[in-house]
Amino acid sequence: GQQVMQIPQYQHVQEGEDFTTYCNSSTTLSNIQWYKQRPGGHPVFLIQLVKSGEVKKQKRLTFQFGEAKKNSSLHITATQTTDVGTYFCAGRLGNTDKLIFGTGTRLQVFP
Amino acid sequence: DADVTQTPRNRITKTGKRIMLECSQTKGHDRMYWYRQDPGLGLQLIYYSFDVKDINKGEISDGYSVSRQAQAKFSLSLESAIPNQTALYFCATSDSSSYEQYFGPGTRLTVT
Repeated sequence: GQQVMQIPQYQHVQEGEDFTTYCNSSTTLSNIQWYKQRPGGHPVFLIQLVKSGEVKKQKRLTFQFGEAKKNSSLHITATQTTDVGTYFCAGRLGNTDKLIFGTGTRLQVFP
Repeated sequence: DADVTQTPRNRITKTGKRIMLECSQTKGHDRMYWYRQDPGLGLQLIYYSFDVKDINKGEISDGYSVSRQAQAKFSLSLESAIPNQTALYFCATSDSSSYEQYFGPGTRLTVT
């Protein structure tokens, strides 16, 4: 069954507001990736986090990997309409090449 | 990415029919994957292959089979389609040096 959960499932924000999605795993992950899927599109890789407590930034996006490597978050500052889409985390267990995808958070941004 | 193509893009079929979804890639990656996407459930791994002679079951392989005909081609078959296999199917690739996965455009399958 699903081992990686994301909250919230949906988030509607006004343009300019911040947004955060949280990813929680029942088991320790070796690393975690984040993907964005635009409406009608396919998932596109955003970033990978590997180290415990790691924080990475991409412009207005901030990604964190928890100290216990069981959770992660994506924070978007001052959302724009181009941020619309579904954001998925995907965790890797041990040394496998399999990714376990989270359930996704769908972001809607109102202008 | 145009480097990963899927055919067909849309397919409507009837219960009990055999159907094959095809995936081709020009990225030169050795690893290929098939995922299924259902609303609210994210992406679930059906099968994956690390090279031509390596096939592995994912989380939800029952009712599906795959064939890795060449490094660049990975096909997914539904031997006898059923309505609850109606979903969006994605193929993805990666190489052993980066773990980032590149997805195809998807195939929307409807089983009536």
